Order: sequence, then C-alpha cells, then structure tokens
Amino acid sequence: DAGVTQSPTHLIKTRGQQVTLRCSPKSGHDTVSWYQQALGQGPQFIFQYYEEEERQRGNFPDRFSGHQFPNYSSELNVNALLLGDSALYLCASSLGPWAGGNTDTQYFGPGTRLTVL
Amino acid sequence: AQSVTQPDIHITVSEGASLELRCNYSYGATPYLFWYVQSPGQGLQLLLKYFSGDTLVQGIKGFEAEFKRSQSSFNLRKPSVHWSDAAEYFCAVGALSNDYKLSFGAGTTVTVRA
Repeated sequence: DAGVTQSPTHLIKTRGQQVTLRCSPKSGHDTVSWYQQALGQGPQFIFQYYEEEERQRGNFPDRFSGHQFPNYSSELNVNALLLGDSALYLCASSLGPWAGGNTDTQYFGPGTRLTVL
Repeated sequence: AQSVTQPDIHITVSEGASLELRCNYSYGATPYLFWYVQSPGQGLQLLLKYFSGDTLVQGIKGFEAEFKRSQSSFNLRKPSVHWSDAAEYFCAVGALSNDYKLSFGAGTTVTVRA
C-alpha cells in the first residue's frame, strides 16, 4: 500500500521563477492538504483540496495556487518566487475533508525541498 | 484561532532515561490534538492523537500523552528513551469546526546521548 508520494525531492529555482510541486495521496484517500515548513519552524497550512476544489486557505498570498485532479493527486504552484519561499513543502492526505468530526488521520509525504536563490 | 506553543526548543536526554515534551494549546472549543515526529530528511509520522474520551492516549513507539483541559496542555512522555528517538517532535491542534487546517507548534528537537 503506497503512502503519500511527492515529487520532486529537491528543487532549486531563482527569484522570480515559477515552480510546480506534485503529490499523490495515499491509496484510498481523496483529500490533499499542503503545508510549508521553513527551516526551524513547524509546518504552516497553505490550503486543502477536496472534490477538486480548494476548501480552505491559510495565510498565504495568491502567488500560491493549487489544483486537484480527478485521480485525487494534486499540484502546488508558486509564482514569482521569493527567497522566503525556500522551505520544505509537505503534502498530507486523508479520507474526506479534514475537519471537525473527521477522526481520520492525515498522512504526510516526505516533502519537496525547495531552494530559491 | 487555534495556536500551539512548545516551550522547549531543544532537549537532551540520556539513553534509557525518561522523556517529557511539553505542549500548550490555545483554542476556545474542544481541540483535536496530535503529536508528530520528524526524522532528518523525512516527512511527519503520527505518534498519537486525542479526539475525546480517555485523556491518557497511547501511541506508537512506546509514547503516551495526557490531555489536561484545565492546563490546556498535551504533554508527550516516554518512560525509557532509545537512541532512535532522536528527532524533532511537533505538537499540533485541529478544531471541531469547519476549519480544515492543523496548526503546529515550532517543534522540540530531542538529542539522545549514549
């Protein structure tokens, strides 16, 4: 049973460029959340996708956008990269939107390490 | 909005000794509480979670945590630490509402000395 997978593992970009990160949820899961983890910090919620729609967004600018495909996989896009976007980007999946009443566990992938020069 | 505080940035413990990691949360309603562990270069692995019921929760790898509503705390404990427990530990809180996110603390790094 495959867990949450993310690609690529590492990525180096320069300021102003655009990047796309990919996530495949755990088998049987239909909901994907994205988190940004800066060095020495805890993960910060970016947004969550369920039924191909963005369900909630954290405090991130519109430069951060996403998409969910019919097979439940998801992409995170970041435009106009800034040095401060350098971080580990984590994808988490669950069965159903992770909200009150859902006692399911979110499973996290290994992350994509993005470095912006 | 919910928030989590982990007062200890770094803890060093001897192998075989007990470990306690502190977590305090701020949330006006019933929280969902979690402890995750992250080894270097790895993603997050769930150790245990609390939703309701018994306030002492058992998790994987011999960890347990106790929910104390009066103190807004959810401290993680392990009676005897192994060298493989060296990692970063994150406490997180979720809300019983339409809020879909988990809010994480800044983490506690655990070093295990022989």
